[in-house]
Amino acid sequence: EAQVTQNPRYLITVTGKKLTVTCSQNMNHEYMSWYRQDPGLGLRQIYYSMNVEVTDKGDVPEGYKVSRKEKRNFPLILESPSPNQTSLYFCASSFNGLDTDTQYFGPGTRLTVL
Amino acid sequence: RKEVEQDPGPFNVPEGATVAFNCTYSNSASQSFFWYRQDCRKEPKLLMSVYSSGNEDGRFTAQLNRASQYISLLIRDSKLSDSATYLCVVPPNTGFQKLVFGTGTRLLVSP
Repeated sequence: EAQVTQNPRYLITVTGKKLTVTCSQNMNHEYMSWYRQDPGLGLRQIYYSMNVEVTDKGDVPEGYKVSRKEKRNFPLILESPSPNQTSLYFCASSFNGLDTDTQYFGPGTRLTVL
Repeated sequence: RKEVEQDPGPFNVPEGATVAFNCTYSNSASQSFFWYRQDCRKEPKLLMSVYSSGNEDGRFTAQLNRASQYISLLIRDSKLSDSATYLCVVPPNTGFQKLVFGTGTRLLVSP
């Protein structure tokens, strides 16, 4: 089944404790992206990747890192999480990132930083 | 002006009703537009794409008005299962690198 998977789905952590949210897609998509969704603000792009070893900042990259060492994986790293990073995070992928592409989203990761 | 604006709702309609909501956008260079559906904090899923004047898929019709820079979504014969949040997405015509989502319009269909 074609899908985007994320782990963990739920995470409660404390300020400053490094964490990684994994994202994997099995559709051989070149483009992958991370979003966070907050009430009243909609989905905002954190980072995106057009291909292996090619990543760039989205609208809200502060406090996050990403890597794209393999085509299928695009982990999101929070080196020192803070309470303002409490949010619902979605990973997404599309075939090659063109305007006409459909984006496929993972099921989301609900993160709480205490 | 926000890049993409939507009325947050909620729109409360009875089953069988026709409902429409709009999405206004500021980037006149945008060429393609999307409506995504999102159920209660689950992942967004593509509902419809709009590349020219409009698109129709069963009970759903999306229309584009380039002059006034808005797209609309019309749902006919509403079902209980249509209750969801509908997100408007407007790529900036440079690929998906800076995809802009509206905050969504919430629809509640009641029996």
